[in-house]
Formats: sequence, C-alpha cells, structure tokens
Amino acid sequence: EPEVTQTPSHQVTQMGQEVILRCVPISNHLYFYWYRQILGQKVEFLVSFYNNEISEKSEIFDDQFSVERPDGSNFTLKIRSTKLEDSAMYFCASSDPGSPNPNQPQHFGDGTRLSIL
Amino acid sequence: AQKVTQAQTEISVVEKEDVTLDCVYETRDTTYYLFWYKQPPSGELVFLIRRNSFDEQNEISGRYSWNFQKSTSSFNFTITASQVVDSAVYFCALPSEGGSEKLVFGKGTKLTVNP
Repeated sequence: EPEVTQTPSHQVTQMGQEVILRCVPISNHLYFYWYRQILGQKVEFLVSFYNNEISEKSEIFDDQFSVERPDGSNFTLKIRSTKLEDSAMYFCASSDPGSPNPNQPQHFGDGTRLSIL
Repeated sequence: AQKVTQAQTEISVVEKEDVTLDCVYETRDTTYYLFWYKQPPSGELVFLIRRNSFDEQNEISGRYSWNFQKSTSSFNFTITASQVVDSAVYFCALPSEGGSEKLVFGKGTKLTVNP
C-alpha cells in the first residue's frame, strides 16, 4: 500500500539554525499538508499546499516557515531560524482531492521528531 | 469555529473488554466529514475512518464500530473485545469550516489495554 515517507525520523538542531524536513507524499495525491504535535499535545495544522501554492496556513505558520515542492515527488518544510518552542513531531500528510467529494482522508507519514537545543 | 472535544483523557481496560471513546464536535457547516485516527506508541498517525454527515448509519469494521449521532453532535468509537495492540492515542478530527481541508483535531484519548 502506498505511503507517505518522511526523512529524517529525528533531527537535532541548535537554536537559530535552519532546518529542512522532507516528505514524499503518495504519488497520485494532489493535496499536501504539514502538521505538528508538541509532545503530549494534540495535532495542529500548519499549512496546506495545492497546485504549487499554499492554499491555507495557520497562525503558527509565520515568516520563519516555508514550504516547497522542488520536484514532482518531494514536499519540504523549512524553518529558517529555529526556536526552542519549535521542538515537536512534524507530520506530513497527503490526500487525493477526489473532487467532487471533498475532505478525502489525509494519510500521514511517520513524522520527524525535531529537537531544538 | 470548529471544535472537537474528547473528554476522556485516558482510559485503561483489561484485554477483551469493550471500550467506547467519545467525541463531541461543534460546527456551523451543514455538511461535513468526521475522522478518527490512531496514534500507536511508535508515533505515526493511522487513518481509521472518514464519515460524512449525510450518513448516520453505524459503521462496523471488524472489532471497530462507530456511532454517529448528528442530533447530539457525537461520533463515538467502540472497540469490541479489546486487545493489547489497540493501546494507542485515538484522535477524532473535523475539517475546518467552509470546505477547508485543514483538519481540527481533538486532544486525543489515550487507551491502554492491559493483558
């Protein structure tokens, strides 16, 4: 069964450094997402991406964050200058828009645990 | 704004017991979808079910069943004859308003099934 893959599984970075989290969504999916989960808390939406542009973003997704689909398979999340509070599990997800039926299931990767020191 | 409430923070049962995880939601949309996800101790998020608001029939998949009650804005999840492998955090989720693809998650219920 096709799956979303994320690399690395764990990233340790010094505060202030840039970090790039990588994702390979399911190949025929057209919607891509990033969510984060601070340890022990609920999953929070960061951003959705469709047709090569951001379709929606949350208030968490400030100027320090950016997303990119550099080629036909990868989807990346960049944090420019990491802060301690960026420490979390970051999940990539993808879905098939399935028009005219919206809100198709979002399939998540295994996550990248980001630890900021 | 959408809201998902999972009032049960933690539940502990003994293997083979039935257990129900509650989910109550708020939305101003007239049509919407609801989701359940499982997060086992290994940390990944596993999709379990998507349900639309048109269909209030109960859904059954093996030992899992879901009870959707639009009148009470609830979408409860029951595991029959629980097993140790069911131990996980279970999240209920609802897309944000107006056809958004953004999922709003509840805080999750941690289920521990003891042998």
